[in-house]
Amino acid sequence: GDSVTQMEGPVTLSEEAFLTINCTYTATGYPSLFWYVQYPGEGLQLLLKATKADDKGSNKGFEATYRKETTSFHLEKGSVQVSDSAVYFCALLNNAGNMLTFGGGTRLMVKP
Amino acid sequence: EAGVAQSPRYKIIEKRQSVAFWCNPISGHATLYWYQQILGQGPKLLIQFQNNGVVDDSQLPKDRFSAERLKGVDSTLKIQPAKLEDSAVYLCASSFNRDRGRGLEAFFGQGTRLTVV
Repeated sequence: GDSVTQMEGPVTLSEEAFLTINCTYTATGYPSLFWYVQYPGEGLQLLLKATKADDKGSNKGFEATYRKETTSFHLEKGSVQVSDSAVYFCALLNNAGNMLTFGGGTRLMVKP
Repeated sequence: EAGVAQSPRYKIIEKRQSVAFWCNPISGHATLYWYQQILGQGPKLLIQFQNNGVVDDSQLPKDRFSAERLKGVDSTLKIQPAKLEDSAVYLCASSFNRDRGRGLEAFFGQGTRLTVV
């Protein structure tokens, strides 16, 4: 079945540092890929998405590119802020569009 | 636009008791999901509805968990009897229509944190 693998956390960075959170997936066909973010005490929010190979999703300074050749969707941000501290989940929606599968999540802690 | 509403936010029960969670999806969203999120893990799909029909319940422990979506709007998830390992956050999500194409965003509620003691 479909699966998503994320790098384990926590990831601890200083403010303004460069962020990469790795995500790889296993799926048949052409899934859509997502990054969700969960701030402390809040629900999951969609951060960005990409629906086909080579698409780049971007939002709030975060970016991720759908790489079919490496089955990856790594999340990057050039300069993190303390307010980016949260848990980040990579997810895929299968080819049929009826199953959303999540990775285990990566906790990011940004220190001032 | 109002988001996905869930209640209660928190619930503490003893093992072998019963508990029910309620979800009101975004108006017009045909697809509704219930996920279980154990501490430190990603959300795991329990059941998915399309209108009032079940699309997928393959990971729902049917001996103790049940869910319904009467009239294709609100949904309830019930656990009877609860076990210690059911302690988790139960997330409800909705999306517009799974048949309308790929990449449709699922909107999540804040979840119900269940503690079984």
